[in-house]
Amino acid sequence: DVKVTQSSRYLVKRTGEKVFLECVQDMDHENMFWYRQDPGLGLRLIYFSYDVKMKEKGDIPEGYSVSREKKERFSLILESASTNQTSMYLCASSLNLRGGNQPQHFGDGTRLSIL
Amino acid sequence: GQNIDQPTEMTATEGAIVQINCTYQTSGFNGLFWYQQHAGEAPTFLSYNVLDGLEEKGRFSSFLSRSKGYSYLLLKELQMKDSASYLCAVRDQDYQLIWGAGTKLIIKP
Repeated sequence: DVKVTQSSRYLVKRTGEKVFLECVQDMDHENMFWYRQDPGLGLRLIYFSYDVKMKEKGDIPEGYSVSREKKERFSLILESASTNQTSMYLCASSLNLRGGNQPQHFGDGTRLSIL
Repeated sequence: GQNIDQPTEMTATEGAIVQINCTYQTSGFNGLFWYQQHAGEAPTFLSYNVLDGLEEKGRFSSFLSRSKGYSYLLLKELQMKDSASYLCAVRDQDYQLIWGAGTKLIIKP
């Protein structure tokens, strides 16, 4: 089974802090994704990566950056946290971006609160 | 713009059948996914449709009509553990997933 592990289930930070969310997958997947999930909204893509050191902006990249130095690890960085970034953050990975029925596999999520 | 519509919430009785609908308007189409998400947990993959018709997988089936921009997830012999949110997602022409807001399914004894 694919295992996607996010470093924290719950995190509380203060406005203006730099926040790091870590995600590791163990199935040698090329693609990794960061989403945020808010009540009443669908999952919204922040950034994704289809290879080491490669990154692409998703629908809502403002206020975020990412890092992928190794294939198995994809980090999300909140440069200067703000209260509107309070949300559930989900990391996902998939084998192949264009690969037929290959689904995305998700971590358990990090519930981040910015005070 | 791209849009996925699903009902916000549905209620059904244990042992019954429920159908969760999903309509979509996207830039291109390269497949439709259904995921299940229990409260506080990760979404987990249920089914994939890319051709018209019905895909059956145990108690769960998923149907697709590309001409109508429509899919449904059918759950039979409902169990209490089926209480969860069900997410519909469409892969667009750029192979990005567009997500619906999810349908919260409540199962009553």
